Amino acid sequence: DAKTTQPTSMDCAEGRAANLPCNHSTISGNEYVYWYRQIHSQGPQYIIHGLKNNETNEMASLIITEDRKSSTLILPHATLRDTAVYYCIVGGLTGNQFYFGTGTSLTVIP
Amino acid sequence: GAVVSQHPSWVICKSGTSVKIECRSLDFQATTMFWYRQFPKQSLMLMATSNEGSKATYEQGVEKDKFLINHASLTLSTLTVTSAHPEDSSFYICSAQTGVWNQPQHFGDGTRLSIL
Repeated sequence: DAKTTQPTSMDCAEGRAANLPCNHSTISGNEYVYWYRQIHSQGPQYIIHGLKNNETNEMASLIITEDRKSSTLILPHATLRDTAVYYCIVGGLTGNQFYFGTGTSLTVIP
Repeated sequence: GAVVSQHPSWVICKSGTSVKIECRSLDFQATTMFWYRQFPKQSLMLMATSNEGSKATYEQGVEKDKFLINHASLTLSTLTVTSAHPEDSSFYICSAQTGVWNQPQHFGDGTRLSIL
């Protein structure tokens, strides 16, 4: 079963930052937080992952709370092409199975 | 880097036939590959985990005799849906991962299977 909960949907104005929250209160000490997004009829696209430190790459930033029970994915300047379903997943242990939750449907509005 | 190719992207076939879907890691060696299915407006559901050279491990409720998985090399895994029926129609997605335990999975673009 998925170990994460996310809001069902969010809207964001084009050009503004999109902040997508995720709760993972049962995360264990060695588990990572992974973020993916899925555009309709395509496979999920990897965005970013982290253990406990904040991470940034060319796509997004990942902020993980100190207690690691929640995280936020930040898309700094949302574009229309960022409209997708965003999934937060906890994994990284032996076997590294991913159990997807329902994700957040982000709509970027012109 | 980390490209996963899935073939075919779309297949339509008659009820009772078997369908094979291929998943290839193009630029890395995938010690582990995963197979998922996704119904319309739903999330991805993990079907099985496949390690190169070993038998696949199936999730609870997934029929291993219906969904045959082979992972014979570090770059190729196949899923065969045997004696497919209309209820097997779905979007099937594979992913691949290197042997490093915390590295992300990289996904193919999926195969849409329609059984008539």
